[in-house]
Amino acid sequence: AQSVTQLGSHVSVSEGALVLLRCNYSSSVPPYLFWYVQYPNQGLQLLLKYTSAATLVKGINGFEAEFKKSETSFHLTKPSAHMSDAAEYFCAVTTPRSGYSTLTFGKGTMLLVSP
Amino acid sequence: GAGVSQTPSNKVTEKGKYVELRCDPISGHTALYWYRQSLGQGPEFLIYFQGTGAADDSGLPNDRFFAVRPEGSVSTLKIQRTERGDSAVYLCASSPLGSSQLNTGELFFGEGSRLTVL
Repeated sequence: AQSVTQLGSHVSVSEGALVLLRCNYSSSVPPYLFWYVQYPNQGLQLLLKYTSAATLVKGINGFEAEFKKSETSFHLTKPSAHMSDAAEYFCAVTTPRSGYSTLTFGKGTMLLVSP
Repeated sequence: GAGVSQTPSNKVTEKGKYVELRCDPISGHTALYWYRQSLGQGPEFLIYFQGTGAADDSGLPNDRFFAVRPEGSVSTLKIQRTERGDSAVYLCASSPLGSSQLNTGELFFGEGSRLTVL
């Protein structure tokens, strides 16, 4: 079975500070990994995805994530936080066993950005 | 429309009542998913359609939950004899097929239907 663990239900940063949201996965086969973002009163939208090509993946709004197989991690980073980054972030995994058809999500991390 | 559309956006019902939630996916997307998001949790998989058939319904919690997609486009999630524990946001998502005819893994979500069971 596949799963993801997101460390920290809430992360607080100051505007301009580094953002680091942690995600560790568990999968017996090579996974696809995703970060989704949910802004207040909006649907989830894809931030970035890893699909076995480059291990450093760049997404929208200046976010990036690095797939580290040895650490089973896919942490999300952004060099400088902006107020508009305040949202809930979800890490998700899927595998070829399901035809990449079913995503398993973590519990989410709420990012709070203070002025 | 351009995105996934879900109706109603909010539904309040009484315990024991029947509820239907509708999802209109992105045109051309063959895969359709239902997820449930409870307070403080990530989305939890319920059921996945490839075309008209349910390819995986392993996430449905019990036989009170049922979903259909009769023409391979719009889907309806049906909940019988609702319970207070069914209160959650029900998310619908759709996905295209990649060049390998496998799902791309990328889901396009609607804004959800918030169900409150009193």
